Amino acid sequence: AQSVTQLGSHVSVSEGALVLLRCNYSSSVPPYLFWYVQYPNQGLQLLLKYTSAATLVKGINGFEAEFKKSETSFHLTKPSAHMSDAAEYFCAANTGFQKLVFGTGTRLLVSP
Amino acid sequence: DTGVSQNPRHKITKRGQNVTFRCDPISEHNRLYWYRQTLGQGPEFLTYFQNEAQLEKSRLLSDRFSAERPKGSFSTLEIQRTEQGDSAMYLCASSSTRGGGFSTEAFFGQGTRLTVV
Repeated sequence: AQSVTQLGSHVSVSEGALVLLRCNYSSSVPPYLFWYVQYPNQGLQLLLKYTSAATLVKGINGFEAEFKKSETSFHLTKPSAHMSDAAEYFCAANTGFQKLVFGTGTRLLVSP
Repeated sequence: DTGVSQNPRHKITKRGQNVTFRCDPISEHNRLYWYRQTLGQGPEFLTYFQNEAQLEKSRLLSDRFSAERPKGSFSTLEIQRTEQGDSAMYLCASSSTRGGGFSTEAFFGQGTRLTVV
């Protein structure tokens, strides 16, 4: 069964520093991969998605992610963190079975 | 269209009571999904509809849970005889099969937070 692993339940960075949130998937078939962001007491907002068209995917708010099949990874990065980036981030996979499988999430903390 | 709408946003109920949540998807979306999210976890799939047909149910969806989408538009999720373990955020999402289906993203509502006391 497809699973998604997010390493690090919490990541702390300083404002202006690089953001790196890790996501690994397990599947014999490369899935469609997504990153969502969730602010407190809110739903999920799509940041970006990988659909096999390009391995480097650019999303909203300056985020991007690179699909690496050899490492079964889809890590999320942003060159310079902003205070407004503080939120919970979820990596998810859709193997074509009509539903998303989510990781457990990574809370990003941004300090001034 | 303002996106996926869920009502109510918050619900507090006593153990043993029945509750019903409503989800209005984006109007042109034919797929609708329900997820449950507990504290500190990612959302877990419960069930999904394509138009009015319920095509898959997770084993998480016990017989106390029932979901409907009678006319292929809005959906309701009912929990009967609520238990404290049902306390969670219930998220609804919708998507369209236009343009392929599997790679199109799901748009989420803001969720209904259920607290069973």
